[in-house]
Amino acid sequence: DVVLTQTPVSLSVTLGDQASICCRSSQSLEYSDGNTYLEWYLQKAGQSPQLLIYEVSNRFSGVPDRFIGSGSGTDFTLKISRVEPEDLGIYYCFQATHDPRTFGGGTKLELK
Amino acid sequence: EVQLVESGGGLVQPGRSLKLSCAASGFTFSNYYMAWVRQAPKKGLEWVATISTNGNRTYSPDSVKGRFTISRDNAKSSLYLQMNSLKSEDTATYYCARLEYTTDSYFDYWGQGVMVTVSS
Repeated sequence: DVVLTQTPVSLSVTLGDQASICCRSSQSLEYSDGNTYLEWYLQKAGQSPQLLIYEVSNRFSGVPDRFIGSGSGTDFTLKISRVEPEDLGIYYCFQATHDPRTFGGGTKLELK
Repeated sequence: EVQLVESGGGLVQPGRSLKLSCAASGFTFSNYYMAWVRQAPKKGLEWVATISTNGNRTYSPDSVKGRFTISRDNAKSSLYLQMNSLKSEDTATYYCARLEYTTDSYFDYWGQGVMVTVSS
């Protein structure tokens, strides 16, 4: 199975700071069709997860442009510029290239 | 508005069975792959099962294969998860999720989740 390793496990920030979360895969996530099925989800406290980014760098409908996804192959990054209070929670990367589909362990974004 | 509402959770003894349901509305259910994702208390997310639009293809990880069965009723816009031979490690909140239309590679909408507790 593909293992997704997220770093850091937790991240303390000041509002307005930039935050960066990494997701490293044990195998390349480029699919045979040329796409890379790496997504990012945010789970706020007491809520269901919500999609932020799909296929590495595409923001889902309504997601602010301060969320920027990048990367290729096995290394991916989610950057949040100018962190706002509604950005706090646990971020998960997820891969849909290989079966079984797997999530990263999560990164908790909290206030310093 | 897309809505996914899970039901059927509760407390069940190890080795017993439970069936979860997810009522979908606000979209053409039969056009979308659907899935279940779970989250053990204070733990991360785990994909549990996916089903194709007409239900003839299902996918699941080894951790639940042979014990859990995903199914759907397009006429009722409903998704199901039959869970047999339950173990304590199946204790989790179970989310119903819709898979994106063109590539079915990501979960674009999620339900609020239903709690399943496996304990004697």
